[in-house]
Amino acid sequence: EIVMTQSPATLSVSPGERATLSCRASQSVSSNLAWYQQKPGQAPRLLIYGASTRATGIPARFSGSGSGTEFTLTISSLQSEDFAVYYCQQYNNWPSRTFGQGTKVEIK
Amino acid sequence: EVQLVESGGGLVQPGRSLRLSCAASGFTFDDYAMHWVRQAPGKGLEWVSGISWNSGSIGYADSVKGRFTISRDNAKNSLYLQMNSLRAEDTALYYCAKGPAGGHFDYWGQGTLVTVSS
Repeated sequence: EIVMTQSPATLSVSPGERATLSCRASQSVSSNLAWYQQKPGQAPRLLIYGASTRATGIPARFSGSGSGTEFTLTISSLQSEDFAVYYCQQYNNWPSRTFGQGTKVEIK
Repeated sequence: EVQLVESGGGLVQPGRSLRLSCAASGFTFDDYAMHWVRQAPGKGLEWVSGISWNSGSIGYADSVKGRFTISRDNAKNSLYLQMNSLRAEDTALYYCAKGPAGGHFDYWGQGTLVTVSS
């Protein structure tokens, strides 16, 4: 099973600042990597797939990069609505999907 | 508008069974793989099971293999999860999710809560 490790567990950021979240896979997943945002009491929402493609309706301040085993989600200028938990997910081998443990982005 | 509505959750004793359903609308159901994902209270996301568009390919997380069975009825636009031999650690909010060809999950339901307790 591919293990996904996210860092840091919690990221304290001021509004307007940049946030950089990391995700590492225990083996190569090529570009088969997605990022999701989850707010309290809500279902996860797809942000990025294919490591770097923004999903429909996702603002340009969200960007993804990486391939193989190292991936990054960058939020260029944090807005109040961006404070949430972010998960990475690999989907390299059907049907298995594994998630990272999440990074909580909180207000500094 | 894509909608996924889960149902069937509730309080169940350890060792008993429960069947979850997910009603899909707003898209051509039999064009897409579907998945179940769960989230224990205060915890992260865990993929549970996935099924291809024609039920020809199915997979399970090790934690549920041999106890849970995923199925779908394309005529009814519905996804199911039969959960047997339930354990306390199966307590979670269970989401169904739509899986386009790329492999990610582009739409999620709001979840149905399963509580396993005596």
